[in-house]
Amino acid sequence: GAGVSQSPSNKVTEKGKDVELRCDPISGHTALYWYRQSLGQGLEFLIYFQGNSAPDKSGLPSDRFSAERTGGSVSTLTIQRTQQEDSAVYLCASSLVSGGRETQYFGPGTRLLVL
Amino acid sequence: GNSVTQMEGPVTLSEEAFLTINCTYTATGYPSLFWYVQYPGEGLQLLLKATKADDKGSNKGFEATYRKETTSFHLEKGSVQVSDSAVYFCALSDGAGSYQLTFGKGTKLSVIP
Repeated sequence: GAGVSQSPSNKVTEKGKDVELRCDPISGHTALYWYRQSLGQGLEFLIYFQGNSAPDKSGLPSDRFSAERTGGSVSTLTIQRTQQEDSAVYLCASSLVSGGRETQYFGPGTRLLVL
Repeated sequence: GNSVTQMEGPVTLSEEAFLTINCTYTATGYPSLFWYVQYPGEGLQLLLKATKADDKGSNKGFEATYRKETTSFHLEKGSVQVSDSAVYFCALSDGAGSYQLTFGKGTKLSVIP
């Protein structure tokens, strides 16, 4: 079946602009995660969804970052007033259910460059 | 808090050499442990996992054993191939809360013919 998909694959934006990143998880997966991969910080957790609820937003770096999930499926990560330090690869992952033993399946990522 | 420490790279090996990438962790509770691999130009994919102490995960000739006494999950392969060239990430999920993955910094492996 189809894996996790993300769009766009690449995004170049100017400092101060807003961007939206989209994630389509594997069909039927109830848990969805956003991570960020950057050269300096490695792979960092941003936010977790169980269904449409986000019980853990502890990884969001500032209030410029927000995310939502609708219909228990598609998720959008929004970054407002982008800064150069937001440049990174944003990864989405999903798992069938929530649980520490569950495998998280990753999408190909969105590479964001803020000029 | 949780943390994962893995050996710094890059690691360069000749084809058919033995591979070890060390990984140690700090976690509350009873974590599950994972190795993910990122091939050039591709996304992260699960290589293997182990969910309790003394479990051995294996896949594609790679193995790792969950050692609770030494808090380690070292990745090994007896004979590497050029196609194994990739970045390898050790990760844990502590089995509570959001089950987020905590990753090591990654180890880049290059295998030369």
